[in-house]
Amino acid sequence: DQQVKQNSPSLSVQEGRISILNCDYTNSMFDYFLWYKKYPAEGPTFLISISSIKDKNEDGRFTVFLNKSAKHLSLHIVPSQPGDSAVYFCAASARGAGSYQLTFGKGTKLSVIP
Amino acid sequence: ETGVTQSPTHLIKTRGQQVTLRCSSQSGHNTVSWYQQALGQGPQFIFQYYREEENGRGNFPPRFSGLQFPNYSSELNVNALELDDSALYLCASSTWRTSGGYEQYFGPGTRLTVT
Repeated sequence: DQQVKQNSPSLSVQEGRISILNCDYTNSMFDYFLWYKKYPAEGPTFLISISSIKDKNEDGRFTVFLNKSAKHLSLHIVPSQPGDSAVYFCAASARGAGSYQLTFGKGTKLSVIP
Repeated sequence: ETGVTQSPTHLIKTRGQQVTLRCSSQSGHNTVSWYQQALGQGPQFIFQYYREEENGRGNFPPRFSGLQFPNYSSELNVNALELDDSALYLCASSTWRTSGGYEQYFGPGTRLTVT
């Protein structure tokens, strides 16, 4: 039973355009959400997070949107750059339930075409 | 500031053997979590240690065990290795921020191959 789902295994975007990566979750106890980027042969790198009390968080080119009623979040990258090409993981935790473990999706491979 | 480091980078073991993986947490971080990432999957939570005590465990059998030391470094031990244990093992360190943020920072991982 996958509690965090990333339904698009891959995404291709032209350099300079917007990249939108999507994530759905099923566990209502999740109250903290994170995005990680992973290059081959490296560990995941933290990008941005959002608490369930917010619906948007921005950090430079990265914005995360949270729609609690739909149990859906998305990561927007604007403008996309070739260096953004990597696998992006959505993760969630239930801090309010005392669990600090992260539950990950399977990832979306983003390719930014120059 | 030193990030999370893991050793060894790669390891090849035979089915039935035992293995120990090591992790040094990022400076100032008192919590360490271990994850297993199989090919084509997202990382799966194994367990977490906070101040030398286990603080949560995922759906992994008891042959997966761990330790955290007073300097917050950690070990992951796996006994009676099985072929399905072949994966990338990731260590992540974290600490609470006064803003309530709780991000986990990952090391580069140890690639374990069981033959």
